[in-house]
Amino acid sequence: EAGVTQFPSHSVIEKGQTVTLRCDPISGHDNLYWYRRVMGKEIKFLLHFVKESKQDESGMPNNRFLAERTGGTYSTLKVQPAELEDSGVYFCASSPTGYEQFFGPGTRLTVL
Amino acid sequence: GENVEQHPSTLSVQEGDSAVIKCTYSDSASNYFPWYKQELGKRPQLIIDIRSNVGEKKDQRIAVTLNKTAKHFSLHITETQPEDSAVYFCAASPYTGGFKTIFGAGTRLFVKA
Repeated sequence: EAGVTQFPSHSVIEKGQTVTLRCDPISGHDNLYWYRRVMGKEIKFLLHFVKESKQDESGMPNNRFLAERTGGTYSTLKVQPAELEDSGVYFCASSPTGYEQFFGPGTRLTVL
Repeated sequence: GENVEQHPSTLSVQEGDSAVIKCTYSDSASNYFPWYKQELGKRPQLIIDIRSNVGEKKDQRIAVTLNKTAKHFSLHITETQPEDSAVYFCAASPYTGGFKTIFGAGTRLFVKA
């Protein structure tokens, strides 16, 4: 079974630019999560999809972040415009039940 | 707000010794407590979890204990091996129709051969 995949693996952008991260969950997993880890700190919850619906987006930092999950399959997380403090590793995870979560490899975002 | 405190941030043990990582959580509605292991350059992977109706769970060399009254849970690794070296994250989650999982800051475990 293929695992959770994320694209790109690394992204370096200038402050003010736009970046879109993509996550492909494990097929059949209705639950999809986005997290962010800033170096040395906790893995911070951003939001949770159940199929195409946002179940909980209380962790989204501000309106510069937009997550979508069209058709309940893959998901995108857009940051527009990017700020320096948005740098970090963005993880996506999927789960069939909401209990065990299967993580993707992460996207390392650097905003210069 | 909800948070999970994890200690220590770094732990160094000799191969064969035990390692203990401790976490406390703030949200009394939390009822699911997973532990994830992230090896260098790899993705976090679930290694063990416990639900609030259980006080202790064991899987070979790893065990987790939960004290709901104190809002405290711990990971115990016995007979540590060099391949146990990794970052370990505890997490707490209330199942309220969804799983907003709150993670601790991680513990970097070094097992010296």
